[in-house]
Amino acid sequence: DAKTTQPNSMESNEEEPVHLPCNHSTISGTDYIHWYRQLPSQGPEYVIHGLTSNVNNRMASLAIAEDRKSSTLILHRATLRDAAVYYCILFDRGSTLGRLYFGRGTQLTVWP
Amino acid sequence: DVKVTQSSRYLVKRTGEKVFLECVQDMDHENMFWYRQDPGLGLRLIYFSYDVKMKEKGDIPEGYSVSREKKERFSLILESASTNQTSMYLCASSAAGTERYEQYFGPGTRLTVT
Repeated sequence: DAKTTQPNSMESNEEEPVHLPCNHSTISGTDYIHWYRQLPSQGPEYVIHGLTSNVNNRMASLAIAEDRKSSTLILHRATLRDAAVYYCILFDRGSTLGRLYFGRGTQLTVWP
Repeated sequence: DVKVTQSSRYLVKRTGEKVFLECVQDMDHENMFWYRQDPGLGLRLIYFSYDVKMKEKGDIPEGYSVSREKKERFSLILESASTNQTSMYLCASSAAGTERYEQYFGPGTRLTVT
């Protein structure tokens, strides 16, 4: 399974932008970069995904390095509700059956 | 609104008991997954299924079995529960061949084996 490296924890103040980094130096050409997050006492939920170009949706933005060996999830204005564990996952669409490999993720703390 | 439901949020069983964890999804998804989540270890895949009556082992299948008799339902079975199976169990489903390959998760079942 393809590996990602994320910081164990990060902190932010409410209404400030948050940049969550992810390193994936062994990414292959067919790997998509997916982000999920897990709020307290809930199952993980999809946040965003991308292949080469930067992506935006209502939840976040994903910035992908030109060499694709790293990416950054951007929360433009953190809220208390964004406090969660964020997982960066490489997903090979050529692999069977949509398996996702979850690492330990980054625990984001948001201070009021 | 999409929904994955799990039969119990909390469950306490004794060592040696047979335990059934049920998961139901209402999205007509082909793929279904069972994970366990432990502190410091993240989510680990136990079993998954890509069709009715089909199953594949994940990374930690030992001590577990699964059943998928209907498309919407995926059951995880602990044949003889042991204390090291005390964990949070999460079920997920996804549609095959979609753009996002998004997995939808249930709320989880916290199982304690005493």
